[in-house]
Amino acid sequence: QSALTQPPSASGSPGQSVTISCTGTSRDVGGYNYVSWYQQHPGKAPKLMIYEVNKRPSGVPDRFSGSKSGNTASLTVSGLQAEDEADYYCNSYAGSNILVFGTGTKVTVL
Amino acid sequence: QVQLQESGPGLVKPSETLSLTCAVSGHSISSAYYWGWIRQSPGKGLEWIVSVYYTGSTYYNPSLKRRITTSRDTSKNQFSLNLSSVTAADTAIYYCARQGLSYQYFYDFDVWGQGALVTVSS
Repeated sequence: QSALTQPPSASGSPGQSVTISCTGTSRDVGGYNYVSWYQQHPGKAPKLMIYEVNKRPSGVPDRFSGSKSGNTASLTVSGLQAEDEADYYCNSYAGSNILVFGTGTKVTVL
Repeated sequence: QVQLQESGPGLVKPSETLSLTCAVSGHSISSAYYWGWIRQSPGKGLEWIVSVYYTGSTYYNPSLKRRITTSRDTSKNQFSLNLSSVTAADTAIYYCARQGLSYQYFYDFDVWGQGALVTVSS
């Protein structure tokens, strides 16, 4: 099981939107609606932002949204704020009780 | 409020076994959910290691399976990870986490410990 592919970096100005892609295969992202997204600030543990493709845990702002098309999942952050600057990782079920993470994307708020 | 806290040696010699424990408060590990381990090598991405269901069923990252053993101490409400035959490539921050929001629980990590840095070096 190879890591899911994410762009190394993404950026946007405050108030703008940024979308991060997470590309896998039909054996993981494309095969199941079990994609989750995590935000990680430097020196901190990851935080769950989206689960089951597009569901937000309690307390996560609705500026964060998830979607999926084919073998690619996406996380969109709308109305960018300085505090959104962080690393973001996707994760997908890959069948046979296996989970796989993405390579990670560093989001910069310009 | 569920909280998780990793503990264990911060330095392990090559070829030896890395041992970490995750103490859980706020929920019994024997009543529900999966409880997992994830690691992050310095400056790198996240890697899922293993997940243990509250019943004891265990699921492994295939690339690490042959070196992993897990255990649980329900009286202390904690679970543990042993990784054998370590090399410098196993140097990482090791996180324990609850898997608990998705249908059937397995598919996401909703509560994380703060992480424990383990360095493999002689």
